[in-house]
Amino acid sequence: GAVVSQHPSWVICKSGTSVKIECRSLDFQATTMFWYRQFPKQSLMLMATSNEGSKATYEQGVEKDKFLINHASLTLSTLTVTSAHPEDSSFYICSASNTGNSPLHFGNGTRLTVT
Amino acid sequence: AQTVTQSQPEMSVQEAETVTLSCTYDTSENNYYLFWYKQPPSRQMILVIRQEAYKQQNATENRFSVNFQKAAKSFSLKISDSQLGDTAMYFCAFMGNTNAGKSTFGDGTTLTVKP
Repeated sequence: GAVVSQHPSWVICKSGTSVKIECRSLDFQATTMFWYRQFPKQSLMLMATSNEGSKATYEQGVEKDKFLINHASLTLSTLTVTSAHPEDSSFYICSASNTGNSPLHFGNGTRLTVT
Repeated sequence: AQTVTQSQPEMSVQEAETVTLSCTYDTSENNYYLFWYKQPPSRQMILVIRQEAYKQQNATENRFSVNFQKAAKSFSLKISDSQLGDTAMYFCAFMGNTNAGKSTFGDGTTLTVKP
């Protein structure tokens, strides 16, 4: 149980376009999901906390207009990278927990390459 | 704010031997949760083991065990009988009791198991 599905696994887009990444909890409801960015051989950097039915909470230094987060249902959160640039190329991971103190369940991640 | 420190960027161990990964953390909370996650080359984050701070007994999961020293704020991971499949990046993570899953991650330790 407690499976998180993230789609797509990889995406290549041209500079200036927008890309949407989906994160779904398949067998549990997640009022809160988390979005991370990870550079090679580095730790997960929390970008934002996605809250169902309300605005996301962004970490300091993360541009909310650049990284749009929508959490319209208890099982789906989306991250849209708007007007992508090559520096946005990275590995993006989502996570959720099915109770307040349970371990995080992670999506498989999305490798974004902006050309 | 909580901090998590993993002081060993890279480690290696011979197959079948034992290795210990260190982790220290800093918090003013009394109730919290600690986790070790594994990220193999596939980059899928996998829970290895969890520890509740209110439990004095060290958690154990098959070949994986922790040495939890609450007063010292130390949470090391011991891997016994290392296997080639244990090769991965390992992250220590802290989760407070009030943040609904929001976790702080260490910088990670890259473990290589050698045949």
